[in-house]
Amino acid sequence: AAGVIQSPRHLIKEKRETATLKCYPIPRHDTVYWYQQGPGQDPQFLISFYEKMQSDKGSIPDRFSAQQFSDYHSELNMSSLELGDSALYFCASSPGQGGTGELFFGEGSRLTVL
Amino acid sequence: GNSVTQMEGPVTLSEEAFLTINCTYTATGYPSLFWYVQYPGEGLQLLLKATKADDKGSNKGFEATYRKETTSFHLEKGSVQVSDSAVYFCALRQGGGYNKLIFGAGTRLAVHP
Repeated sequence: AAGVIQSPRHLIKEKRETATLKCYPIPRHDTVYWYQQGPGQDPQFLISFYEKMQSDKGSIPDRFSAQQFSDYHSELNMSSLELGDSALYFCASSPGQGGTGELFFGEGSRLTVL
Repeated sequence: GNSVTQMEGPVTLSEEAFLTINCTYTATGYPSLFWYVQYPGEGLQLLLKATKADDKGSNKGFEATYRKETTSFHLEKGSVQVSDSAVYFCALRQGGGYNKLIFGAGTRLAVHP
């Protein structure tokens, strides 16, 4: 079965550079969530989209922005990167924004800021 | 606000030992509860879930029962294997427009032969 696809899987950037992460949800899933997981930490919710509109916002820095496109894929744009942005970034998808079912996670994109 | 509290790790067990990882939650209404597992270097995989009180989720020998009276969802396995070594996250999803998953801090399990 098709899963959530994230790219790139690994990314190395310098401080103050920009980075873009991409997420392709499971087909027919219209809701996408972004999480950030620092080393040894639990995943922290950043932002979510439903039908191309932002549906919820968590601890996303102002330097970060995200959007969902007409094909439901999403991109997380990170600017003025800091060392503390080094983390594993997960994307998850679900069908519809309501309900209490599980979220389906991608393998994650590991960002290293030097 | 909604939150999840897990027992701190690491938990170190010998193969075939009994496992319990405690999880309690705070939420309004009736959330769904989940256990996700993260193997080294991998993403988050759903292990099991329960969507209403007294439901028991089970998978791969793991079980957890949704206890509303004690607001708990403890994870148990009767006989762990080395391959169960991973980080386990308890999580809740409120529903009703509050759709994100809220995770506990995670509990690292190490099983030795």
